[in-house]
Amino acid sequence: KAGVTQTPRYLIKTRGQQVTLSCSPISGHRSVSWYQQTPGQGLQFLFEYFSETQRNKGNFPGRFSGRQFSNSRSEMNVSTLELGDSALYLCASTGAQGQVGRTQYFGPGTRLTVL
Amino acid sequence: DQQVKQNSPSLSVQEGRISILNCDYTNSMFDYFLWYKKYPAEGPTFLISISSIKDKNEVGRFTVFLNKSAKHLSLHIVPSQPGDSAVYFCAASYSGAGSYQLTFGKGTKLSVIP
Repeated sequence: KAGVTQTPRYLIKTRGQQVTLSCSPISGHRSVSWYQQTPGQGLQFLFEYFSETQRNKGNFPGRFSGRQFSNSRSEMNVSTLELGDSALYLCASTGAQGQVGRTQYFGPGTRLTVL
Repeated sequence: DQQVKQNSPSLSVQEGRISILNCDYTNSMFDYFLWYKKYPAEGPTFLISISSIKDKNEVGRFTVFLNKSAKHLSLHIVPSQPGDSAVYFCAASYSGAGSYQLTFGKGTKLSVIP
């Protein structure tokens, strides 16, 4: 099976702009989660989508949003970018139910730089 | 409040010896634990997991031990190889959350010296 893919891999934006990142989960996986990784805060949970519904959200401002499509692909959007939004954004997908199904598999990430 | 803690930012081990990475958690609701390996600018790679109903799980050179009473888990790598050099993250989740959200530690950078 192909792994989780994320596009683009790198992005450079300026303050005040908005950005959309895309994630395609492993085939058959219905849950997609997003995380932000920064040197200071480590890996922090942004939100999770399951069957097109947001089922959990981390402690991030409303400028961070996301959605999931019927084919389980997901996008996240950050509006009014700030310098502090520079980070590696990671997408993870999760498969079947049960204990083993709770394992999240990560994509390569999108490196966002805000100037 | 950091619910998952990896108190050693770095660890150096000789090739062929055992690497032991430690992780502590404070939330007793966590019931599923995972270890990931990560290289810079890449996504974390899943290594091994353990459910709270077990105290040990072994996959190849990797063994995870869980001590629920102490809220402590450890990852043992035997024997350690130079290719194991990376940052290792401990993560936890709980089924009652209604989601698969993971809470991560800050990571331990492992260096395996040839």
